[in-house]
Amino acid sequence: QQQVKQSPQSLIVQKGGISIINCAYENTAFDYFPWYQQFPGKGPALLIAIRPDVSEKKEGRFTISFNKSAKQFSLHIMDSQPGDSATYFCAADRVAGGGNKLTFGTGTQLKVEL
Amino acid sequence: GAVVSQHPSWVICKSGTSVKIECRSLDFQATTMFWYRQFPKQSLMLMATSNEGSKATYEQGVEKDKFLINHASLTLSTLTVTSAHPEDSSFYICSAGGRASGRGNEQFFGPGTRLTVL
Repeated sequence: QQQVKQSPQSLIVQKGGISIINCAYENTAFDYFPWYQQFPGKGPALLIAIRPDVSEKKEGRFTISFNKSAKQFSLHIMDSQPGDSATYFCAADRVAGGGNKLTFGTGTQLKVEL
Repeated sequence: GAVVSQHPSWVICKSGTSVKIECRSLDFQATTMFWYRQFPKQSLMLMATSNEGSKATYEQGVEKDKFLINHASLTLSTLTVTSAHPEDSSFYICSAGGRASGRGNEQFFGPGTRLTVL
């Protein structure tokens, strides 16, 4: 299975700060990169996703930065709030090949402190 | 829209029994459904992909005779854990997607089912 490497494993940020989570992939055929948020005991929920034809996508406080040449993408959470405390997963998929099969990163446990 | 439900949300069973978990797409038709397993503080591991009306495709290392998947309609898929053992205790999550959802390759996840085998 193609890997998606995610870091850091855990992250503590002060309220109002910026949370940054990074992911790197190997398979250059991947062409869809979503981020999911998961609260304890719940299923993951899609936060934001990006295609490789753009370098950045912003939705509210969440921004994905994408570096195609480096095969890396990151999630930035601006003005982090205690309610953002959750586990975040990056993922990758290959749409062009009729994919629809997500490969997940290992997850980052975010804690936002007051 | 794009809501996926799972039932039950949690189940406790004795070793050797079988457990069925249902996954339903409530407001859209899903040509493809996926079943994942997640152990505590770990990532989601894809178990199998099921397409409506055809046999499921299992990931390497997943026993298809132990984890029976049925996708009989565009809104319902079931996972049956047969002869469950304590090591099968996990959080099972389904997702629904496919072109019929109108959302391209986006997957919509259910809330998960916590299985505990005693």
